[in-house]
Amino acid sequence: DAKTTQPPSMDCAEGRAANLPCNHSTISGNEYVYWYRQIHSQGPQYIIHGLKNNETNEMASLIITEDRKSSTLILPHATLRDTAVYYCIVRVWTNAGKSTFGDGTTLTVKP
Amino acid sequence: NAGVTQTPKFQVLKTGQSMTLQCAQDMNHNSMYWYRQDPGMGLRLIYYSASEGTTDKGEVPNGYNVSRLNKREFSLRLESAAPSQTSVYFCASSESTAGGPGDEQFFGPGTRLTVL
Repeated sequence: DAKTTQPPSMDCAEGRAANLPCNHSTISGNEYVYWYRQIHSQGPQYIIHGLKNNETNEMASLIITEDRKSSTLILPHATLRDTAVYYCIVRVWTNAGKSTFGDGTTLTVKP
Repeated sequence: NAGVTQTPKFQVLKTGQSMTLQCAQDMNHNSMYWYRQDPGMGLRLIYYSASEGTTDKGEVPNGYNVSRLNKREFSLRLESAAPSQTSVYFCASSESTAGGPGDEQFFGPGTRLTVL
């Protein structure tokens, strides 16, 4: 699986958009980009995933660059409850289930 | 629909004791996973089960054993606990391990284990 690089921490003002970057320069053509978040000490929560097209759901948007070497998770109107650790994962699992979450980005939303 | 449940929520063991962490999912998922998370760090995969009847090692399997009891349940056993196994343990499940749509994982609330 491709390695990912994320900034260790970011701040965002409440009500503003939070843009969380992820670098995955070694991504392969059949690898998906997944984003999860972990609020305080709860179990991680799935947010969104994509292959090469931009994706949007009720939680967030995912923008993947044309060369697929990086992506950005966008929380359009961040709230205090979005304060969490955000993990970017790139993987193709075929017949294996190995996954590495890395250390993620700690997003702090401030009033 | 409870999703993924884990028992116990908290456990304190002495070095050398054994215990089994239980995990169950009610989403009819084929694949299940066990992760550990040490303080301030990301999750590391211990073992996974791609489908009922199969189990495979993850990144940090030493000191652990697993059993996929049936499609719903996946247990993690520590035969002789060590202080280095003090961690939060998360169980997860997914429809498959195919890496595409439907492969998102759903996590349980975790078991906080302390080994003295």
